[in-house]
Amino acid sequence: EVQLVESGGGLVQPGGSLRLSCAASGFTFSTYDMSWVRQAPGKGLAWVSSISGSGTNRFYADSVKGRFTISRDNSKNTLYLQMNSLRAEDTAIYYCAKVSSGVVIVYYYHALDVWGQGTTVTVSS
Amino acid sequence: SAELTQDPAVSVALGQTVRITCQGDSLRNYYASWYRQKPGQAPMLLIYAKNNRPSGIPDRFSGSSSGNTASLTITGAQAEDEADYYCNSRDRSTNRVIFGGGTKLTVL
Repeated sequence: EVQLVESGGGLVQPGGSLRLSCAASGFTFSTYDMSWVRQAPGKGLAWVSSISGSGTNRFYADSVKGRFTISRDNSKNTLYLQMNSLRAEDTAIYYCAKVSSGVVIVYYYHALDVWGQGTTVTVSS
Repeated sequence: SAELTQDPAVSVALGQTVRITCQGDSLRNYYASWYRQKPGQAPMLLIYAKNNRPSGIPDRFSGSSSGNTASLTITGAQAEDEADYYCNSRDRSTNRVIFGGGTKLTVL
């Protein structure tokens, strides 16, 4: 069974740091891009960051660039999100997701086909 | 700009057909993917690559695309389909992933 399990969330003061982890199982982790997506209370989904299968390419939303770092350890089948300089607006449920992407004729597609259950990050004093 | 626009709320009578739309410039290069999220649950992929369903997704869900608009159609809406629906794609120039604001579907 393909599964993603996040951990590492919690309560942190503004300016603090947290590292989220996402343990993957049931698929060849190193061959898939992975993403982090968050959802603030009562709000919609917001992409945070993505990383290629090898870890070479990393992309970030403007709202977290320079503060968050995505990484992966393919030997441990684990995805990470290091979050520094946390702000109240970073309060959200953080989901990791497996990326399924490709090309159909002349169109690309980029889907998040497996999601974890999420881990909650609360930034508050 | 790299945005996807969805209607905030849509309603449908039980058993009827409803279409949820998503508009944005990125859809001229990328097919939209569609997700359903029920309260307290993680999102679930419904449609990808225009009109492909992952294993286990009922065939009452279908997708289509034209120009800068993608649509998710639910044929014969069920009470369990009452949820939030999100589209997403990717901006080809920045490689950033984009989500629509979500559509809350009410089944009457």
